[in-house]
Amino acid sequence: EAGVAQSPRYKIIEKRQSVAFWCNPISGHATLYWYQQILGQGPKLLIQFQNNGVVDDSQLPKDRFSAERLKGVDSTLKIQPAKLEDSAVYLCASSPRGGSTFTEAFFGQGTRLTVV
Amino acid sequence: AQSVTQLDSQVPVFEEAPVELRCNYSSSVSVYLFWYVQYPNQGLQLLLKYLSGSTLVKGINGFEAEFNKSQTSFHLRKPSVHISDTAEYFCAVIPNTGGFKTIFGAGTRLFVKA
Repeated sequence: EAGVAQSPRYKIIEKRQSVAFWCNPISGHATLYWYQQILGQGPKLLIQFQNNGVVDDSQLPKDRFSAERLKGVDSTLKIQPAKLEDSAVYLCASSPRGGSTFTEAFFGQGTRLTVV
Repeated sequence: AQSVTQLDSQVPVFEEAPVELRCNYSSSVSVYLFWYVQYPNQGLQLLLKYLSGSTLVKGINGFEAEFNKSQTSFHLRKPSVHISDTAEYFCAVIPNTGGFKTIFGAGTRLFVKA
């Protein structure tokens, strides 16, 4: 079974530029998560989708971050404009089901963003 | 709200010595408990999980953890570590309230010395 795929693996941009990350979850997984992992900290949930609807985006900085999951499969996370404090690893995860049925999440390798 | 506290940010240990990485959590609802490992420039890999049943859980690579409900702890142990165990370890909880988002601790850096 193929895992969660993310691209690019690394990205370096200047502050105020925009950037986008892509995630392809495990086939058939209904729930998709984006996490931000700042160096020295644990991952923090940015947004959670179930199919193509948003379940939780309470910690997403909506003035500069946006995410979409078209057709309930792939997802993109965008930052515009980027700030220095956005430097982090962005992790995508997926799980088979959602709602009231518990299932654990499977993580991709992440995209390391450096804002200079 | 839930929170996870990993009591040690770094744990240095000699090869073949035992190790314990400590994790405490706070939650007003029942939770599922996890330990993940992250090697440099890699994603998160599940080591073990506690969902229900026996409070002693065995995972991959010789690791085990014990759920202690009264102390709200889920400490990770290994009786003899290897150089290859050097990595970042994250304790995490998922509240059993629907949505099922994972809440992570800040991580413990395990450094195994020869």
